[in-house]
Amino acid sequence: AQTVTQSQPEMSVQEAETVTLSCTYDTSENNYYLFWYKQPPSRQMILVIRQEAYKQQNATENRFSVNFQKAAKSFSLKISDSQLGDTAMYFCAFMRRRTGNQFYFGTGTSLTVIP
Amino acid sequence: EAGVAQSPRYKIIEKRQSVAFWCNPISGHATLYWYQQILGQGPKLLIQFQNNGVVDDSQLPKDRFSAERLKGVDSTLKIQPAKLEDSAVYLCASSPILGTGGEKLFFGSGTQLSVL
Repeated sequence: AQTVTQSQPEMSVQEAETVTLSCTYDTSENNYYLFWYKQPPSRQMILVIRQEAYKQQNATENRFSVNFQKAAKSFSLKISDSQLGDTAMYFCAFMRRRTGNQFYFGTGTSLTVIP
Repeated sequence: EAGVAQSPRYKIIEKRQSVAFWCNPISGHATLYWYQQILGQGPKLLIQFQNNGVVDDSQLPKDRFSAERLKGVDSTLKIQPAKLEDSAVYLCASSPILGTGGEKLFFGSGTQLSVL
């Protein structure tokens, strides 16, 4: 079974500072994807960043980057230059590359950006 | 490109009543998911369709929940009868076929259900 663990229920960061959200996962698969999704109060889940397990290079999307440690099964999200609009729940997710695209989500980290 | 459409946005019912949620995925997306998100938790998969066939419904409480995806396009999730513990946000998501950009989910805005 695949499990995704986010050990930080709540975090806060000052505006313009950097924050890192942690995620670990457990799987016996070798071919998979990892994701960070953002869920603001509007409830719309928005894809922040995606990492393919077979790629060693860490994914980057503007102010968002990941630290993917495959052997340690760790997938952290770094948000640089935090903005008020980054305030949201952040979910780490795992997808195994098999027929059916099965996704598994962590319990989330509530991030508050303080002005 | 139009996103995943869901309705209603909010629903309040009393326990033992029935309720239905509707989802229209992004055009051309073969895979459709229904997730249940209880307050303070991550989304939990209820059922996954590929076209109009069920891929995974192992966590769907089949004694009270049912879902269908007629013609492989839009989908309906029904709860009958509802229990207090069914209070949650019900999220619909869709994705294309694997290998065609299917390695990500596109979500709707969800339906917030309150069972009193």
